[in-house]
Amino acid sequence: GEDVEQSLFLSVREGDSSVINCTYTDSSSTYLYWYKQEPGAGLQLLTYIFSNMDMKQDQRLTVLLNKKDKHLSLRIADTQTGDSAIYFCAEIISGTYKYIFGTGTRLKVLA
Amino acid sequence: EAQVTQNPRYLITVTGKKLTVTCSQNMNHEYMSWYRQDPGLGLRQIYYSMNVEVTDKGDVPEGYKVSRKEKRNFPLILESPSPNQTSLYFCASSSHTEAFFGQGTRLTVV
Repeated sequence: GEDVEQSLFLSVREGDSSVINCTYTDSSSTYLYWYKQEPGAGLQLLTYIFSNMDMKQDQRLTVLLNKKDKHLSLRIADTQTGDSAIYFCAEIISGTYKYIFGTGTRLKVLA
Repeated sequence: EAQVTQNPRYLITVTGKKLTVTCSQNMNHEYMSWYRQDPGLGLRQIYYSMNVEVTDKGDVPEGYKVSRKEKRNFPLILESPSPNQTSLYFCASSSHTEAFFGQGTRLTVV
């Protein structure tokens, strides 16, 4: 069945780079997403990548997609304390509106 | 401004007392869904709706009902809540490229 996996926790020092990894199962997914959830809030779309792309860069964020290994990663450069949040990887099942979310990775940024 | 509005934000109730969590979106999306978020389990889909009067079960539908009488509203109904339904609930409204989430409803059933 469909499944999206992430590690649960990541801790980095302020100013370092963070890399959050995700593996997914639906090879026909058109889009893959990263959502951010700050404490007490809903999920906000951070960035997404089309399945025909290998990389997408948006300011401090870099998304890498390895379709062969079904691996998605999010790199945050110069991580700040405001980046502390839970990050969810998600895929949309091809031909549907159904999103499958990972368990979320809690990023803690140490000052 | 694109918005999904859920109410209430927080709710404490007793076992067996029927409750409804409301959800409204202003983006004219056809697709709406409900998720619950539990530690270590991520978001799991409860029910979804492809359009008015069209609803279907997600991955964890037991103990929940929904209705879609109009496009903008998609309430979640717990006819007889139980403690294992204590969770954080999110409503979402989706286009082909993005899901928009409400702020969440933290439900505690005692």
